Amino acid sequence: TQLLEQSPQFLSIQEGENLTVYCNSSSVFSSLQWYRQEPGEGPVLLVTVVTGGEVKKLKRLTFQFGDARKDSSLHITAAQPGDTGLYLCAGADDYKLSFGAGTTVTVRA
Amino acid sequence: GAVVSQHPSRVICKSGTSVKIECRSLDFQATTMFWYRQFPKQSLMLMATSNEGSKATYEQGVEKDKFLINHASLTLSTLTVTSAHPEDSSFYICSARAPVVAYYNEQFFGPGTRLTVL
Repeated sequence: TQLLEQSPQFLSIQEGENLTVYCNSSSVFSSLQWYRQEPGEGPVLLVTVVTGGEVKKLKRLTFQFGDARKDSSLHITAAQPGDTGLYLCAGADDYKLSFGAGTTVTVRA
Repeated sequence: GAVVSQHPSRVICKSGTSVKIECRSLDFQATTMFWYRQFPKQSLMLMATSNEGSKATYEQGVEKDKFLINHASLTLSTLTVTSAHPEDSSFYICSARAPVVAYYNEQFFGPGTRLTVL
């Protein structure tokens, strides 16, 4: 199992602030995915990044894949209470996914 | 598209009983499905890979005789927790692998099943 480290583990911010979540590994992945999970529900896919250096935007969310395809970041601009949840990164090795420990984000109104 | 359902959503059982959880891909065929378990405030841990028409592949440390997996059709995989004990209480989540041609090893997750063993 390839290890993915996420930081920070917890993040609590005020509505309107920005935040960044990091996902790092010593391994190279064919693709990396970001999921958001709410309590008592399954993870929901947000984005998949494939190419080193790739940047993808999804409304207020910006995802970046490192040049070496070992790390990624998720940046949320002007966070809203609806962004609250557990954010998980997952690296794909062939058909299996290895998940990071997750970052619990709380956005206070 | 790419909807995965799980049933039941939650189950409470007595110690020693067996519990079956179903995972269905509703609008696509999934030759490969995955079973994960998740403890409170922790990430997903892969238990096994379920392949249609063949035996499941279990991750190291997962007892295959305790967690029976059957993938009898292209849209259904089942996980049976046999002789459940309180330490088996957890959130069990299944996922289905997206069609390879269109996606990059993405998985689509079910809503999870909360198992509580008394």
